[in-house]
Amino acid sequence: DQQVKQNSPSLSVQEGRISILNCDYTNSMFDYFLWYKKYPAEGPTFLISISSIKDKNEDGRFTVFLNKSAKHLSLHIVPSQPGDSAVYFCAATTLKTGNQFYFGTGTSLTVIP
Amino acid sequence: DGGITQSPKYLFRKEGQNVTLSCEQNLNHDAMYWYRQDPGQGLRLIYYSQIVNDFQKGDIAEGYSVSREKKESFPLTVTSAQKNPTAFYLCASSRTAINSDTQYFGPGTRLTVL
Repeated sequence: DQQVKQNSPSLSVQEGRISILNCDYTNSMFDYFLWYKKYPAEGPTFLISISSIKDKNEDGRFTVFLNKSAKHLSLHIVPSQPGDSAVYFCAATTLKTGNQFYFGTGTSLTVIP
Repeated sequence: DGGITQSPKYLFRKEGQNVTLSCEQNLNHDAMYWYRQDPGQGLRLIYYSQIVNDFQKGDIAEGYSVSREKKESFPLTVTSAQKNPTAFYLCASSRTAINSDTQYFGPGTRLTVL
């Protein structure tokens, strides 16, 4: 059973506009969330994280929002650039127990120049 | 250059043969992980190791085996007992086994069983 879901397999955005990638989770014990970015033929690379004690974390053009009541997080990229075109995975874990991350299925973002 | 290497990038094997995937890291990380990615699915944890000579099963360990004899190496053997071994395999490491430590991934090995 998929505990972390990314319901949009793909997203296309014009360069300079905002990209919003969504992620839902089912396990209320998750308290730490991450976004990874993956280019073809490469392993995922860490992008940004957020703890459940926050509802927003910002790093340059990337902002992650967490809505605990809705069990939903989103990644905003502003402004989007062609180099942002990649597959984005969200992941979740419970910090107190074990060290297993649960990954979503990924969203392929294409930024159109 | 510090990083994680996985070899080979592409691997083909006949059904019924065991195959070992290599994962090496020179980041001096304590923890290492093996994931599997299938189309339309997220990364799923096969095995992880928090420290040398220790490893734990993940969600889908059946048909796989690992060893952690050295800190820098965490090879994964896909045995003939794995019913659907064709997949993309990713190795990762983190400084410690604490969840908040970032996991760094290798480039992956695509295994095709014919």
